Amino acid sequence: EAGVAQSPRYKIIEKRQSVAFWCNPISGHATLYWYQQILGQGPKLLIQFQNNGVVDDSQLPKDRFSAERLKGVDSTLKIQPAKLEDSAVYLCASSWTPGRETGELFFGEGSRLTVL
Amino acid sequence: KQEVTQIPAALSVPEGENLVLNCSFTDSAIYNLQWFRQDPGKGLTSLLLIQSSQREQTSGRLNASLDKSSGRSTLYIAASQPGDSATYLCAVSSLDSNYQLIWGAGTKLIIKP
Repeated sequence: EAGVAQSPRYKIIEKRQSVAFWCNPISGHATLYWYQQILGQGPKLLIQFQNNGVVDDSQLPKDRFSAERLKGVDSTLKIQPAKLEDSAVYLCASSWTPGRETGELFFGEGSRLTVL
Repeated sequence: KQEVTQIPAALSVPEGENLVLNCSFTDSAIYNLQWFRQDPGKGLTSLLLIQSSQREQTSGRLNASLDKSSGRSTLYIAASQPGDSATYLCAVSSLDSNYQLIWGAGTKLIIKP
């Protein structure tokens, strides 16, 4: 079974530039999460989708971050314009568990963003 | 508001020893608790998930326990190996957090050959 795929693995940009990350979850998983992980900290949830609907985006900085999950499969996370404090690893995870309850999560390898 | 703490932040033990990693949480009204492993530069791998109604879960050399009344979970690793070196994170899901996972900062484990 293929795991969660993410790209790119690494990205370096100047502040105020834009960047987009892509995630393909495990086939059949209804729920998809984007997390931000700063070095030395646990992940922070940015947005949760169930199929193509948003379940929770309360911690997404909506003035600069956006995410979509068209057709309930792949997802993209965009940052525009980027700030220095956005330097982090962006993790995508998926779960077969429907609804708000969090079941077992399967993570991709992450996309490491460096903002200069 | 749920808070999750993992102490110590780092731990180094000789190969072959049994060890315990700790996780504490402030709100005992949890839905489930999960332990994850993270290797450098990698994503997270789910190790064990304990539902609120359970007291422990086992997988191979790993055993996770849950004591809601004291707000604690432990991850026991038997006969440690150098390949167990990684950062171990626990995360708690509760109604208080709208079922979202609240994460500890992790314990970085080094197993010395």
